[in-house]
Amino acid sequence: GQNIDQPTEMTATEGAIVQINCTYQTSGFNGLFWYQQHAGEAPTFLSYNVLDGLEEKGRFSSFLSRSKGYSYLLLKELQMKDSASYLCAVRDHNNAGNMLTFGGGTRLMVKP
Amino acid sequence: GAGVSQSPRYKVAKRGQDVALRCDPISGHVSLFWYQQALGQGPEFLTYFQNEAQLDKSGLPSDRFFAERPEGSVSTLKIQRTQQEDSAVYLCASSLLDRVGNEQFFGPGTRLTVL
Repeated sequence: GQNIDQPTEMTATEGAIVQINCTYQTSGFNGLFWYQQHAGEAPTFLSYNVLDGLEEKGRFSSFLSRSKGYSYLLLKELQMKDSASYLCAVRDHNNAGNMLTFGGGTRLMVKP
Repeated sequence: GAGVSQSPRYKVAKRGQDVALRCDPISGHVSLFWYQQALGQGPEFLTYFQNEAQLDKSGLPSDRFFAERPEGSVSTLKIQRTQQEDSAVYLCASSLLDRVGNEQFFGPGTRLTVL
């Protein structure tokens, strides 16, 4: 099975940078996803990494190191609307389809 | 275009009652997933369909849970004789094809409360 760990909560200041870490253990790694979920809403896709390195998309970047079983999501120029839960999810080729195994989520609070 | 829709958005059931939760995936999406999300937790996989075929149901917590997608489009998750521990948000997701990297698009979920 998979074991995915991420911090439960983080707090940051508007305009700052925050890094949310995720570590995972899986036997057949086949990609890592980050999703954003506002309270009471659907998770929405942020980024996907399958090769080592950094993927940048506007204010959001995601990094992956497969040898370390480690990823992070970097949010720059934080805005109040970035207050949400951030979900790290891993795909394993041993699982049917492309089902995702999620971590517990990191609840980010952005303060003025 | 329209995203994934789910109905009802909220459902309150008495313990022992049967419930049916509906998912309308994005048109043309081959893969459909059901997840269960407890309060403050990440989603947990329940079952997976490729078109009308249910290829993985290993996440269904008990035989009281049943899912179908008879025509390869709309899916229904049925829970029989609901228990309080079934209270959660049930998320449906769809993706275009079963390929590496294809993102899953999630619906808003059905919040089930069992009294």
